[in-house]
Amino acid sequence: EVQLVQSGAEVKKPGESLRISCNGSGYSFTSYWISWVRQMPGKGLEWMGRIDPSDSYSNYSPSIQGHVTISADKSITTAYLQWSSLKASDTAMYYCVRHFEASAYYDYWGRGTLVTVSS
Amino acid sequence: DIQMTQSPSSLSASVGDSVTITCRATQGISNFLAWYQQKPGKVPKLLIYAASTLQSGVPSRFSGSGSGTDFTLTISSLQPEDVATYYCQKYNSAPLTFGGGTKVEIK
Repeated sequence: EVQLVQSGAEVKKPGESLRISCNGSGYSFTSYWISWVRQMPGKGLEWMGRIDPSDSYSNYSPSIQGHVTISADKSITTAYLQWSSLKASDTAMYYCVRHFEASAYYDYWGRGTLVTVSS
Repeated sequence: DIQMTQSPSSLSASVGDSVTITCRATQGISNFLAWYQQKPGKVPKLLIYAASTLQSGVPSRFSGSGSGTDFTLTISSLQPEDVATYYCQKYNSAPLTFGGGTKVEIK
């Protein structure tokens, strides 16, 4: 069974760093890309960026570029989304999703990681 | 970048009604379009890909059509369990933009 298991909810202060994770199982992790999708409270879905776990090539949405880092460790079939300095506006639900090509639809979704940034 | 515009942003219909949601791209994307359903408080779920191909397990009352810039999602006979927000997404190239969503409610 394909699963994308995400790390638990986080509560952080502005300026703090954070890394959330997404562990893929039940499929060949390096055969599928992972993207991260943001959903701010009460808002729609926003693609943040993607990574090819086979070689860790990644690219980002222009609106996100420079604020987050997407990485992957294929030895433990896990992808990451990382911030070095959180802002209150980063408060959102973050989903990891799987897709079989760089540009493809998302057939499996993680359950989401809620990140709350508040002073 | 290509923008995706959905209409309407919300709708209310009766059980059994046919419902149509439109998604328009600012440039042609061939058939590289997916539709997702997100029920309240739940994770989004893939309904349709390649504009008109139903994902396995999705009820046949859902259908998609279109190519180029104009696409539609139709629910042929609305059911109470279809209450959700529906999103289109283009996936021909990055950025993989979503539409703003259409909230479907029961009248």
